[in-house]
Amino acid sequence: EPEVTQTPSHQVTQMGQEVILRCVPISNHLYFYWYRQILGQKVEFLVSFYNNEISEKSEIFDDQFSVERPDGSNFTLKIRSTKLEDSAMYFCASSFPRDADNEQFFGPGTRLTVL
Amino acid sequence: GQNIDQPTEMTATEGAIVQINCTYQTSGFNGLFWYQQHAGEAPTFLSYNVLDGLEEKGRFSSFLSRSKGYSYLLLKELQMKDSASYLCAVRDREDTGFQKLVFGTGTRLLVSP
Repeated sequence: EPEVTQTPSHQVTQMGQEVILRCVPISNHLYFYWYRQILGQKVEFLVSFYNNEISEKSEIFDDQFSVERPDGSNFTLKIRSTKLEDSAMYFCASSFPRDADNEQFFGPGTRLTVL
Repeated sequence: GQNIDQPTEMTATEGAIVQINCTYQTSGFNGLFWYQQHAGEAPTFLSYNVLDGLEEKGRFSSFLSRSKGYSYLLLKELQMKDSASYLCAVRDREDTGFQKLVFGTGTRLLVSP
């Protein structure tokens, strides 16, 4: 069964450093998302991406964040200068608008630890 | 604003039935999802409701009342592996092309023998 994959599974970085989180969405999906979940808190929407551009972003997704689809398979989230409060689990998700339910399939997540 | 409320924690015994409630107040509504999340893992899709009524999928059922801003997830014949967090999420845009999900805090369910 097709699945969303993410790398790395765990990333440790120093405050102020840049990180790039990588995702490979399901191949025929057209919509891509990033969510984050701070430990013990709820899943929060960051950004959605369609047709090579951002379709919606939350207030969390400030100028320090960017997304890119550099080729036909990868979808990346870059944090330019990490802060301690960026420590969280980051989930990539994808969906295909085939039916009304439009289920989002989530990847296994990248745990980001900022020291 | 967006507000989705669920109980923080519930306990039940193996073989029993449990109902997890969710109430929501969102700027728009275009469907409600239930996801299961085991600790340290990704959310996995359980059910979807967009019209009022009950949707049944094996041991899991989900109910929606749009006029009341209310949904519940019903789990029957509980198994130990059902111990997980259950996330209620609302799609708050009318345009199905835009799929942002607004999540509740999740209900941690503990199933005991």
